This record gives sequence, structure tokens and C-alpha cells, in this order.
Amino acid sequence: DAKTTQPTSMDCAEGRAANLPCNHSTISGNEYVYWYRQIHSQGPQYIIHGLKNNETNEMASLIITEDRKSSTLILPHATLRDTAVYYCIVRAPSTGTASKLTFGTGTRLQVTL
Amino acid sequence: SQTIHQWPATLVQPVGSPLSLECTVEGTSNPNLYWYRQAAGRGLQLLFYSVGIGQISSEVPQNLSASRPQDRQFILSSKKLLLSDSGFYLCAWSVQTGNEKLFFGSGTQLSVL
Repeated sequence: DAKTTQPTSMDCAEGRAANLPCNHSTISGNEYVYWYRQIHSQGPQYIIHGLKNNETNEMASLIITEDRKSSTLILPHATLRDTAVYYCIVRAPSTGTASKLTFGTGTRLQVTL
Repeated sequence: SQTIHQWPATLVQPVGSPLSLECTVEGTSNPNLYWYRQAAGRGLQLLFYSVGIGQISSEVPQNLSASRPQDRQFILSSKKLLLSDSGFYLCAWSVQTGNEKLFFGSGTQLSVL
């Protein structure tokens, strides 16, 4: 799996967009970018994933650069409930075996009033 | 819809005592199942995964074992707990078709004293 680099922590004002960057310069052609978040004392929650096109769902948007070496998770209107650790994971599809995801240290996002 | 149940939510056990944590999944068949552990202030570490009944793979050597007696039941056990077994234990499931979307339970906070 490609290595990812994320800032240790970020702050965001409530109501503003939170833009969380992730560098994955060694990503391979068949590897997807996945984002999860973990609210304190809860299990991680899947947010979104993408291969090379930008993706959007009800939770967030994922912007992947054309060279695929970095991506940005965007929470368009952050709320206090979005305070969590956000994990960027790069991994190829697991064909016929388990999805052994490796969670690094992630970015701790603090949303403030 | 699919749901995952994990219990108990918290557990305090003395050193040397046995452990049994149970996880069950509803609403899906033949899922991949996982046990992760998160030590205080640390990242998530994959302990075990299972792609079918009776099939267990261990990711790291440790004082714990896992079993899958039924399709949607995953059990984490220890015969004698160590202080170092303290942590936040998370069960998760995924479909078996090369999708890296994991769905996590609410976790068990284990304190070994």
C-alpha cells in the first residue's frame, strides 16, 4: 500500500469549509484513496473513496489531483460534530481476500465556534 | 440494512483473568470480519481477520485469539490477560468483493488492572 502523509492537526471554524490534505506520491495506478474518520471513543466511519475522478456524497467531497499524488477531503460546512481524527488510506482492491486496512495517525480536526 | 453489534462497551478485568468479546453482524451474509485494537493515543492495529467460518488469520503475535463459530459471529478471547492487553477493541465487517469499505462496531474499552 502506498504511504500517506497528513498534517497532525487542523482547526476550522464552524460553518466554514474544512479542507484536509493528504499526500500519496507513491500511489499506484490501481490504488484507491479512502477517507475514514473517528470521533472520540467511537469506531471509524467510512466517508468517501475515489480512484481519479472527484467524488461527492452527502458527507464530503474528495478532490484528487490529476497526477493522483495528493488529494483533499472537503467538509463543505463543518459543524462541531465533525471534530474527529480523519484518516487517508491508499489501497488497491482486495480481490478474494480481506480488506486489511492500515490506519495511520491521521489528522485531528478541531471545529470551533 | 446491515448492523454490527459489539459488547460489552466497557470492561475492567484483573491481570490473569480470561477474556471474551463478542461481535455479531446482521443483514448480510458471508462477510469478512476483523478485530482491531487501539491503545491509548495510538493508531488502530489489525489483530485478526476472517474470510469465513473457522478461518482465522492473525496479523500480529499476541496473547489473544479469535474464533468464528458462525457466519456472522466473531469472538476475541484470551486465557490470561496482561496489562498490555488494555485498549479499545473494535470489530468490523466488509463485503467480500474487493471493496475496502469497513463498517465498525462501537467498540469495547478494556482496562486490565
